[in-house]
Amino acid sequence: DAKTTQPPSMDCAEGRAANLPCNHSTISGNEYVYWYRQIHSQGPQYIIHGLKNNETNEMASLIITEDRKSSTLILPHATLRDTAVYYCIVSANFGNEKLTFGTGTRLTIIP
Amino acid sequence: GAVVSQHPSWVICKSGTSVKIECRSLDFQATTMFWYRQFPKQSLMLMATSNEGSKATYEQGVEKDKFLINHASLTLSTLTVTSAHPEDSSFYICSARDSRELGSEQFFGPGTRLTVL
Repeated sequence: DAKTTQPPSMDCAEGRAANLPCNHSTISGNEYVYWYRQIHSQGPQYIIHGLKNNETNEMASLIITEDRKSSTLILPHATLRDTAVYYCIVSANFGNEKLTFGTGTRLTIIP
Repeated sequence: GAVVSQHPSWVICKSGTSVKIECRSLDFQATTMFWYRQFPKQSLMLMATSNEGSKATYEQGVEKDKFLINHASLTLSTLTVTSAHPEDSSFYICSARDSRELGSEQFFGPGTRLTVL
């Protein structure tokens, strides 16, 4: 079973920041928070991951609350190509630890 | 990021035939590979986990004799759907990671769409 809760859908205006929330209240101390997205009929694309510190890369920022029970993925300047299903996943991800996909958030960027 | 390829990208076959799907890590050593299946409008469902040189571990409800997985090298895993039937039509996606690296991300292939007539 997925260990995360995400809103099923969100809209965001093109050029604005898209903030995607994720609740993971049962996260364990050794579990990372991973974000992937899937554009229609493609394989999932890795976006970012973190353990407890906020992270930033060329695609997005990941803000993790101090208690690690929730996080927010931020796409700073959304474009139409960011329209996709975004998955928040928690996983220890060492050895053979698997990623369990929930239903994700369908983000639609509005022109 | 690291690149994972799949071949073929799509395949159409007759019922009763077998289909092999290849998954390759192009620029890193994939000690662990995962195979997923995705039906229309649904999320990805893990089918099995394979480690290089070992037998695959299948998820509950996945028939190991029907979905044969081979992970003979650090860059290649194959999934063979044996005696395929129309209900096996789906989007099959592999992912790979170097499981020796703590916290490393999984990289996904582009997927293979299987249609069984």
